[in-house]
Amino acid sequence: DADVTQTPRNRITKTGKRIMLECSQTKGHDRMYWYRQDPGLGLRLIYYSFDVKDINKGEISDGYSVSRQAQAKFSLSLESAIPNQTALYFCATSVGQQETQYFGPGTRLLVL
Amino acid sequence: RKEVEQDPGPFNVPEGATVAFNCTYSNSASQSFFWYRQDCRKEPKLLMSVYSSGNEDGRFTAQLNRASQYISLLIRDSKLSDSATYLCVVNVPEDTGRRALTFGSGTRLQVQP
Repeated sequence: DADVTQTPRNRITKTGKRIMLECSQTKGHDRMYWYRQDPGLGLRLIYYSFDVKDINKGEISDGYSVSRQAQAKFSLSLESAIPNQTALYFCATSVGQQETQYFGPGTRLLVL
Repeated sequence: RKEVEQDPGPFNVPEGATVAFNCTYSNSASQSFFWYRQDCRKEPKLLMSVYSSGNEDGRFTAQLNRASQYISLLIRDSKLSDSATYLCVVNVPEDTGRRALTFGSGTRLQVQP
């Protein structure tokens, strides 16, 4: 089984809809991250969490919210989806000073 | 200026060639450096960390130049399976002392038979 899983893997939704992307990990890592990837822009950090009670905004948090329900679960919500949130979303985990990150398989989101 | 900059490529090289990528970073306080590999439509995976003294892993060599604020990745004897996008990743310390990694937009490598 994969160490970092994301659901759903693909999602099509309409403008204005609320959508939640979920991430679970079995690596036992404290730190979890949400990124989006757009062509030519690379990975951009949306939110990150260093433990269950710690949530931090990344560089592009507007329009997104997160919930760290447990050490192993970190969810990303789009309260009212808009077309420019169409992207590939990755969840990642890490531990330790070196901050090596382990990524989930990604969620492809299309907002119409 | 972007915090981490890479030449997007693509670098098209024949099998067996040696190819090198550079990456520059803007924050002199950066402390951790990595190269990740990303295959098309897949998640990034750690290729190797970059240490101050330089390090090698098989056909891959990574080097860090703090004075000029760049890191490099050298791939020797390129294989078809090396075709991918290579992401330069830098730890950018934040004001609170917490760190978040910053990813470059990647350099695409295409190894041709």
